[in-house]
Amino acid sequence: DAGVIQSPRHEVTEMGQEVTLRCKPISGHDYLFWYRQTMMRGLELLIYFNNNVPIDDSGMPEDRFSAKMPNASFSTLKIQPSEPRDSAVYFCASSLSKPWSGARKTFGAGSRLTVL
Amino acid sequence: DAKTTQPNSMESNEEEPVHLPCNHSTISGTDYIHWYRQLPSQGPEYVIHGLTSNVNNRMASLAIAEDRKSSTLILHRATLRDAAVYYCIPGGGKLIFGQGTELSVKP
Repeated sequence: DAGVIQSPRHEVTEMGQEVTLRCKPISGHDYLFWYRQTMMRGLELLIYFNNNVPIDDSGMPEDRFSAKMPNASFSTLKIQPSEPRDSAVYFCASSLSKPWSGARKTFGAGSRLTVL
Repeated sequence: DAKTTQPNSMESNEEEPVHLPCNHSTISGTDYIHWYRQLPSQGPEYVIHGLTSNVNNRMASLAIAEDRKSSTLILHRATLRDAAVYYCIPGGGKLIFGQGTELSVKP
């Protein structure tokens, strides 16, 4: 089991550019979560999917952010256009079933985004 | 989701037990209590979870108060590798992370 795999690990881009972050969840996990972590705001839940369907996107900051899960083994988080305040570490996590019913989440190593 | 109160930081000596407290007085009856930790420059990792009874695993023990309004994560022998931010998360919603307790371990 390779765990949750995120790419890229580091991304530096200029303001206005499109950024795409990728996540491969653990095989067989039904839930996928995207988080953002900054010093000021801590870990924030952005969106989560169940069986590839977005369930709650209330944490997505604004229309510049979008997330998709075209299949059970792949998800993307896209920022277009990017802004300096989007600089953060973005984590993807997956779980076998509902975490709030006891299933543990497994997190990836994160993608550190810097927008200049 | 239930609100949580944790100390911002705690210190421990290596090889000694550590008790990390968490208050979650608004927890609902069906909410599990989850603990995760985040080591420096890594993603959060699962530590332990429980509902009503105390729980043990290879990493830690979880002591849950009888009224479930508080819990304590117990590291039986702290090592330098246990230095991390520890998050107490009463589940029931989307497992929202609070500020956690930053644990430092002195040799």
